[in-house]
Amino acid sequence: KNQVEQSPQSLIILEGKNCTLQCNYTVSPFSNLRWYKQDTGRGPVSLTIMTFSENTKSNGRYTATLDADTKQSSLHITASQLSDSASYICVVSAIGGGNQFYFGTGTSLTVIP
Amino acid sequence: NAGVTQTPKFQVLKTGQSMTLQCAQDMNHNSMYWYRQDPGMGLRLIYYSASEGTTDKGEVPNGYNVSRLNKREFSLRLESAAPSQTSVYFCASIRGRGNTEAFFGQGTRLTVV
Repeated sequence: KNQVEQSPQSLIILEGKNCTLQCNYTVSPFSNLRWYKQDTGRGPVSLTIMTFSENTKSNGRYTATLDADTKQSSLHITASQLSDSASYICVVSAIGGGNQFYFGTGTSLTVIP
Repeated sequence: NAGVTQTPKFQVLKTGQSMTLQCAQDMNHNSMYWYRQDPGMGLRLIYYSASEGTTDKGEVPNGYNVSRLNKREFSLRLESAAPSQTSVYFCASIRGRGNTEAFFGQGTRLTVV
């Protein structure tokens, strides 16, 4: 069964600190993996997208890694800001078929001053 | 460029009432999707339309119908609303298959009492 699991479920960190969010998946055949940021009351917005051959991709203070062999990804946030408080969702796409997106349940990040 | 626009943003229905959620995108995307998001669960696909004129069921289609009116618009209809359909609904679109970004609307928060 195609699944995406994220950990931790929630996280609270101090402003300025770094954090890492995890994503494990069993989606096959793998096409790509995206990380989305979802602010409260808003739709998800894409942060990064990685294909099978990409190990690391950065978007400002966000750095995503992918290990396609172990089917794991992480999202590292550097020097966190209050505006980073949001839910971070890992989305894995499978090759073929119309229902190509598999969503994790998200990690709720709260950055406190 | 508005991206993906959903209406309404909020709605309260009584059990048994019907309503249509509207979604329009101005990015000339081929594929459009309807998801629901419930607490503690990842986004779940209700219906999708891979291209104009086609629609297919997703993971949780029961109680819903859709219409791909044209390339821009994809509506979701609840014929007889039930409390179990209380959720936040998101419309999304992508240009086509492959490594393309999915754009989400702002969501419709629906409460069925």
